[in-house]
Amino acid sequence: AQSVTQPDIHITVSEGASLELRCNYSYGATPYLFWYVQSPGQGLQLLLKYFSGDTLVQGIKGFEAEFKRSQSSFNLRKPSVHWSDAAEYFCAVGAPAGGTSYGKLTFGQGTILTVHP
Amino acid sequence: SQTIHQWPATLVQPVGSPLSLECTVEGTSNPNLYWYRQAAGRGLQLLFYSVGIGQISSEVPQNLSASRPQDRQFILSSKKLLLSDSGFYLCAWVRSSSYNSPLHFGNGTRLTVT
Repeated sequence: AQSVTQPDIHITVSEGASLELRCNYSYGATPYLFWYVQSPGQGLQLLLKYFSGDTLVQGIKGFEAEFKRSQSSFNLRKPSVHWSDAAEYFCAVGAPAGGTSYGKLTFGQGTILTVHP
Repeated sequence: SQTIHQWPATLVQPVGSPLSLECTVEGTSNPNLYWYRQAAGRGLQLLFYSVGIGQISSEVPQNLSASRPQDRQFILSSKKLLLSDSGFYLCAWVRSSSYNSPLHFGNGTRLTVT
């Protein structure tokens, strides 16, 4: 069974500082990987996804993530954090099979990002 | 463009009362539909998914049930709520015809069982 670990429950950074949120997954093959962001009381918004190809993927809001197969990681990065980036971030893994198994994502526990002015 | 609607946004219900949460998707046909639950301080757990009208698969045993009476309508129900049913419920859809289409979420329903 697939699993996702986000080691950091809560991260605090200063506005303008760089950010890296960690994500490690467990899956028998190359999975589909996602990062979602959730503002308080809201649904999840997709930041970026990795299916195949270039291991460095660009997303919305200036985020990027790098898939490292050897480390089973898919860390999220942003070079300069804005106060509006404060939210909870979820890493997720999905099975790369068509049909029903696609949307059955396994999510990490989430990382809460606090941004200090 | 496609949109997903969930209602109500918040709900407070007493223990033992029934539940009905509704989710509809616009702008697409034959989507795969999902109900996820997010308990306080925890990640998201898949509860149900559906690949077509009347087709429901349950991922975890629980007090809840789901139905899909129409192609773009997904309903989460309970006959008698438990305190442990409290949480944030998210509906999601994915385009069934595209294997690399991302999962899109609604804005969620905050359910508090008292």
